[in-house]
Amino acid sequence: NAGVTQTPKFRVLKTGQSMTLLCAQDMNHEYMYWYRQDPGMGLRLIHYSVGEGTTAKGEVPDGYNVSRLKKQNFLLGLESAAPSQTSVYFCAAARGSAKNIQYFGAGTRLSVL
Amino acid sequence: KNEVEQSPQNLTAQEGEFITINCSYSVGISALHWLQQHPGGGIVSLFMLSSGKKKHGRLIATINIQEKHSSLHITASHPRDSAVYICAAPYSGGGADGLTFGKGTHLIIQP
Repeated sequence: NAGVTQTPKFRVLKTGQSMTLLCAQDMNHEYMYWYRQDPGMGLRLIHYSVGEGTTAKGEVPDGYNVSRLKKQNFLLGLESAAPSQTSVYFCAAARGSAKNIQYFGAGTRLSVL
Repeated sequence: KNEVEQSPQNLTAQEGEFITINCSYSVGISALHWLQQHPGGGIVSLFMLSSGKKKHGRLIATINIQEKHSSLHITASHPRDSAVYICAAPYSGGGADGLTFGKGTHLIIQP
């Protein structure tokens, strides 16, 4: 049982390039989240989804877009990467809202030069 | 937005010591989460609690809803407990929009 799988694990981009981070879950959970983790700061919510076809903004959504076309996948897109988006990105899935355990992917380490 | 504060930020202890990590939050919540981030970066959920106390092995989590405070205790600590421990609460109290996280407590247990 893979749980939550993130691809890629590492990526280096040049400023202005675009990329998509993929999060896939095999637990049939409704809720999915994208967080970023930066040194000296707690994880911060970028975007989230409460079900297939729905997305919503979190705390730090600027510069990112998301899509949830299939229940098992939650994509995070960077249209024009900036050095400020250098971070470790975590995806999480949960059966429901905050009274449910969140299951995290292993993270994607992104560097934007 | 819920504000989550953890203390201490860093903690070094000797093997066998009793460890306490504290967490306070600003907005009444439905549940509070404790997570562990391994040195390799992976994050796992340890506890989710809405009242009282929960225990799993040598880990104990308590919460006081009235005081908006939670603690994570580790009994008979071991070097393998070395990790970052993170407290998290619902972002806006209701919880549909994810969690807000403390900055974490970096714990090192020395043999």
